[in-house]
Order: sequence, then C-alpha cells, then structure tokens
Amino acid sequence: AQKITQTQPGMFVQEKEAVTLDCTYDTSDQSYGLFWYKQPSSGEMIFLIYQGSYDEQNATEGRYSLNFQKARKSANLVISASQLGDSAMYFCAIAGNDNDMRFGAGTRLTVKP
Amino acid sequence: AAGVIQSPRHLIKEKRETATLKCYPIPRHDTVYWYQQGPGQDPQFLISFYEKMQSDKGSIPDRFSAQQFSDYHSELNMSSLELGDSALYFCASSLGSGSDYNEQFFGPGTRLTVL
Repeated sequence: AQKITQTQPGMFVQEKEAVTLDCTYDTSDQSYGLFWYKQPSSGEMIFLIYQGSYDEQNATEGRYSLNFQKARKSANLVISASQLGDSAMYFCAIAGNDNDMRFGAGTRLTVKP
Repeated sequence: AAGVIQSPRHLIKEKRETATLKCYPIPRHDTVYWYQQGPGQDPQFLISFYEKMQSDKGSIPDRFSAQQFSDYHSELNMSSLELGDSALYFCASSLGSGSDYNEQFFGPGTRLTVL
C-alpha cells in the first residue's frame, strides 16, 4: 500500500519568488512513481511533473522541479519565479506496482502580487 | 491534441436514483482509471481497467459498477445514490499498465450533485 503526506494545507508566496511544496510518502513497493498535479479552481487536474523511484536525477519541467530524496522518502515540488496563475491546489501522488494513484491531501498555494 | 472526454460535465440526481458517467480515453490509451473527489478532499481511487478487464479495485462502493468497452471507453454506473455521493468524478487514461508508471491524463471531471 502507498501513502502520501502533504503537511502544508496552505502556502503563500510573493509573485516572482520560489516556493517549495512538501510531500513525503510511504510505500512497500521497491519501484514506484511520484507525480505532482495542479488543480485550479475550475477543478481540472493538470499533470506537472513525474519522478521514477530509480531515476538518479531530479525531474525538471520548465519552472517546476522535483527535489527527490529517496532515503527520506520525500518528493518536494519547487516552483521557481511564481506567477499569479500558479495559485491553485497542488496534489502529490504515488503509483506503485498496481499503477493506481494515491493522492495526498493537497496544498493550496496562493501567489500574492 | 485529443484529451480525455467525460460526459456529462454536470449531473444532478435525487437520492435513490441511478447515474451513468462516461469516459472516452485519449486515442490508443488502453487503461482507464476512475477517481472520486469529495468537496475539499483529495481524489480517491475507485477502479481501473486495462484492455477491457478490471485491473484494480479501490474504494468503490458495492452500489457502483464500471466497465470498459471494446472501443476502450468506460462507464461508471451508480445506483441507489446517496447524498454522500456528491463529488467530482475524474476519469484518467494512460497507455499500458503493469509495472510502468505511466502518466495518467485526467479528464475534466463530472460534477455529480445528489439532492
């Protein structure tokens, strides 16, 4: 079984600054995948970034990077140069051998002008 | 690029009624997942299908059933609806299943309200 913990219910960041959203996980699977999704107020789920458990390098996608620390079982999302449009709910998720995704409780990010 | 299509986008039902949600995966995707997201909650995995066969089952109530058809679209059938079934229902699709952690592409969701 997999479990995701996001300890920050809400975060504020000033526009153009960087922000880190925390995510820790627990799994008994030897190999797994970690995902971050963005959910704006419209409700859609937007894929941001993916990290495989055997990937040695941290994943990056544009302004998004994943700080993967396997020994600590953490997969924090870093958003650089925050924009007003980044204000949304952010979910960390894990998929194990069954490939079914388990989500954390989410972090609501608010970018202040 | 084609995305996952879900219909209807909004649905209002009364208690004890039935509802059917439809999901059309991205072309050539063979795996479909259903998730339920209650108000203020994170999405909860319900059930998944790979190549028209059920591949995994999560917290899907016995009142719900689902299937994947020959054209890979999927339907979630919900009977004896309860107030607590009011939620956003997401369908996601991916290519392949098994040990690969294939990116799941989410549809826009169907917002079900049970009165």
